[in-house]
Amino acid sequence: DAGVTQSPTHLIKTRGQQVTLRCSPKSGHDTVSWYQQALGQGPQFIFQYYEEEERQRGNFPDRFSGHQFPNYSSELNVNALLLGDSALYLCASSLGPGAGNTIYFGEGSWLTVV
Amino acid sequence: AQSVSQHNHHVILSEAASLELGCNYSYGGTVNLFWYVQYPGQHLQLLLKYFSGDPLVKGIKGFEAEFIKSKFSFNLRKPSVQWSDTAEYFCAVNALRSGNTGKLIFGQGTTLQVKP
Repeated sequence: DAGVTQSPTHLIKTRGQQVTLRCSPKSGHDTVSWYQQALGQGPQFIFQYYEEEERQRGNFPDRFSGHQFPNYSSELNVNALLLGDSALYLCASSLGPGAGNTIYFGEGSWLTVV
Repeated sequence: AQSVSQHNHHVILSEAASLELGCNYSYGGTVNLFWYVQYPGQHLQLLLKYFSGDPLVKGIKGFEAEFIKSKFSFNLRKPSVQWSDTAEYFCAVNALRSGNTGKLIFGQGTTLQVKP
């Protein structure tokens, strides 16, 4: 049991559509990060949320946005979907945003854009 | 920009063989280092981590890794692999610098296939 839960597990969207992915962090964790893992690649950092604010962002366009709720859960939104957005989207949580914290991952949401 | 390089993309071993997976990173400052494993159909799981202290760290399932600062390396080892070790292995680095949070930089992964 990972402790970090994500939904949905799989989804298919059409180019140009918008998608929302959801994440509940491990119990007791207050920080959520999102990663994109393309097939055959390692995960790439999208952004991190702490205290309902985006704290750090990776090299992703503004089409990728997020939100953190008071209960620490989080959403990842992607607008104007491109074929290249097809990937596994991973949510990770930790206790605090600092670099010295262990990060736990969920099972991910598989997004296919057609 | 920081980067992580895993030298072996696909490794095939027989059971009981020894394993060493290479990982090098590019960052001159202080780092936290991790190895994660992803079994087929499962989530990323932490195998081991290095924050400070003894550069030889032991993780779960008999894995260990050695941090060699002068070589910017954090290689993963296991003396005797089992069929159940078949999985994808990822090295990850967190560069400790001002303004940085828990952002992990991952290598592209090594697929380990263990033949029974």
